[in-house]
Amino acid sequence: AQSVTQPDIHITVSEGASLELRCNYSYGATPYLFWYVQSPGQGLQLLLKYFSGDTLVQGIKGFEAEFKRSQSSFNLRKPSVHWSDAAEYFCAVGASNFGNEKLTFGTGTRLTIIP
Amino acid sequence: DAGITQSPRYKITETGRQVTLMCHQTWSHSYMFWYRQDLGHGLRLIYYSAAADITDKGEVPDGYVVSRSKTENFPLTLESATRSQTSVYFCASRNRERDEQFFGPGTRLTVL
Repeated sequence: AQSVTQPDIHITVSEGASLELRCNYSYGATPYLFWYVQSPGQGLQLLLKYFSGDTLVQGIKGFEAEFKRSQSSFNLRKPSVHWSDAAEYFCAVGASNFGNEKLTFGTGTRLTIIP
Repeated sequence: DAGITQSPRYKITETGRQVTLMCHQTWSHSYMFWYRQDLGHGLRLIYYSAAADITDKGEVPDGYVVSRSKTENFPLTLESATRSQTSVYFCASRNRERDEQFFGPGTRLTVL
């Protein structure tokens, strides 16, 4: 069974500082990996996804993530955070075989930005 | 409006009552999903549907019933609500050719 671990429940960074959110997955084959962001009181919005190819993927809002198969990781990064980045971030893994639609989400990392 | 909507946005009910949460999408996406979000658990899949009249259980289906008579609607029913079903419920949809799930705004359900 697939699983996702987000080891950091809450992270606080200063505005303008760099950010890295950790995500480790467990899956027997090549995974589909996603990062979603949830602003307070809102649904989830896709930031970026990895299916195959280049292991460094670019997303919206200046975010990027790197797939490292050897470490079973898919960490999210941003070089300089803005106050509007304060939100909850979820990593998710899905099966790579077409037709298996189940995504497994991590427990989320809450990001606080201080001025 | 185009997109995915959920109703109601907030609901308070009592233990033992039947509650139905509605989900409607305008994209004609094949797949639809119901998740619940709880502190410390992230999002957990309750049920999903690959097409009209095709549904399947997710990780936490007990106590829930779904139906999908039309492609655009995917209601979730709690037949006899329990306090443990107090949660935020999210509906999502996905086009068969793409791998991105689009989420609704959520329904906050409180069972007293």
